[in-house]
Amino acid sequence: DAGVIQSPRHEVTEMGQEVTLRCKPISGHDYLFWYRQTMMRGLELLIYFNNNVPIDDSGMPEDRFSAKMPNASFSTLKIQPSEPRDSAVYFCASSFLGLLDTQYFGPGTRLTVL
Amino acid sequence: LAKTTQPISMDSYEGQEVNITCSHNNIATNDYITWYQQFPSQGPRFIIQGYKTKVTNEVASLFIPADRKSSTLSLPRVSLSDTAVYYCLVGVRTGANNLFFGTGTRLTVIP
Repeated sequence: DAGVIQSPRHEVTEMGQEVTLRCKPISGHDYLFWYRQTMMRGLELLIYFNNNVPIDDSGMPEDRFSAKMPNASFSTLKIQPSEPRDSAVYFCASSFLGLLDTQYFGPGTRLTVL
Repeated sequence: LAKTTQPISMDSYEGQEVNITCSHNNIATNDYITWYQQFPSQGPRFIIQGYKTKVTNEVASLFIPADRKSSTLSLPRVSLSDTAVYYCLVGVRTGANNLFFGTGTRLTVIP
């Protein structure tokens, strides 16, 4: 298996633009997680899905953030409109059994909002 | 989810054993303890998980005292490649909980 795949690896955009981050989990994993990492706050869980259904989105910072999982092999995290404070590395991870089961992380997307 | 406390940073020389302790005073009966490692510009990677006493794998050992209010990740004979951030997590292995990685412990191995 190729592991968790994220795209793009780097994204530079201007304030106010829409940003869409993409993730392909490991095949057979029922759980998918979106994280954000910054120097100040560390690694934060934004939202996670079980069998394509959002389970807990309490970590999503604002209504500008939304996430979808239309099928078992694809998820998106969208920010609209983007702001400079959204600049961070966004990780996607997947696991078989859940939160404390071994999570396999993707390489991350480094987002810079100017 | 039980909140955890770890040192912000640690330094060690190559070849030494490194012990990173995590405090989790509010750990619940069903909670497991999990450690992740993160290298620069990469996503975190699972190291080890345990419930009580001692767990050992090819990478590390995890020591958990009887009261389970703390745990210690032990890295034997560290090398420069062990320089990374180490995260301690506590929670139920399956189910709906809010996972908290925080800022972890930044380990720097010195030649």
